[in-house]
Amino acid sequence: EVQLVQSGAEVKKPGESLKISCKGSGYSFTSYWIGWVRQMPGKGLEWMGIIYPGDSDTRYSPSFQGQVTISADKSISTAYLQWSSLKASDTAMYYCARLAVAGHHFDYWGQGTLVTVSS
Amino acid sequence: QSALTQPRSVSGSPGQSVTISCTGTSSDVGGYNYVSWYQQHPGKAPKLMIYDVSKRPSGVPDRFSGSKSGNTASLTISGLQAEDEADYYCSSYAGSWVFGGGTKLTVL
Repeated sequence: EVQLVQSGAEVKKPGESLKISCKGSGYSFTSYWIGWVRQMPGKGLEWMGIIYPGDSDTRYSPSFQGQVTISADKSISTAYLQWSSLKASDTAMYYCARLAVAGHHFDYWGQGTLVTVSS
Repeated sequence: QSALTQPRSVSGSPGQSVTISCTGTSSDVGGYNYVSWYQQHPGKAPKLMIYDVSKRPSGVPDRFSGSKSGNTASLTISGLQAEDEADYYCSSYAGSWVFGGGTKLTVL
């Protein structure tokens, strides 16, 4: 069974750093792109970026380029999303999702990680 | 890329059909047959319902169907059921991914 399990909710202060994770199982982790999607409170979905764990090829949405870093550790089948200096506006639910092989849609999603940034 | 345009809300009674539209441009929806639709219940992760405009993943009821005409894609849900009440998001691939603003479906 394909599963993407994300790390737990985080509460941080502005200016702090953070790295959240997404662990894949039930499939060949290195053979599928993993994307990250932001959902701000009461708002819609926004594509942030995507990584291919096989070779760490990474693409970012222009809206998020330079604001976050996406990485992966294929030895433990885990993708990451990190911030070096959080802002209150980073408060949101973050989802990882697997890109279907040879496809252009996200077929499996993690359960989401809620990040709250507040002083 | 700008977000795709969806109606904020639609509603229908059990057993009826509803259609949710998703309007983009010739650079995204109109230029590729890579429109997908996701269902999101409150507090849950999105779930893939339709991909490549009109294909259904295994396990998705055939009450859900997708189509596209020009720069507008549509999701039709026939035989509405109470459990269909959720938010629905369209997405298009155009070198990167763009989502619609979401549509809240209310089953009356």
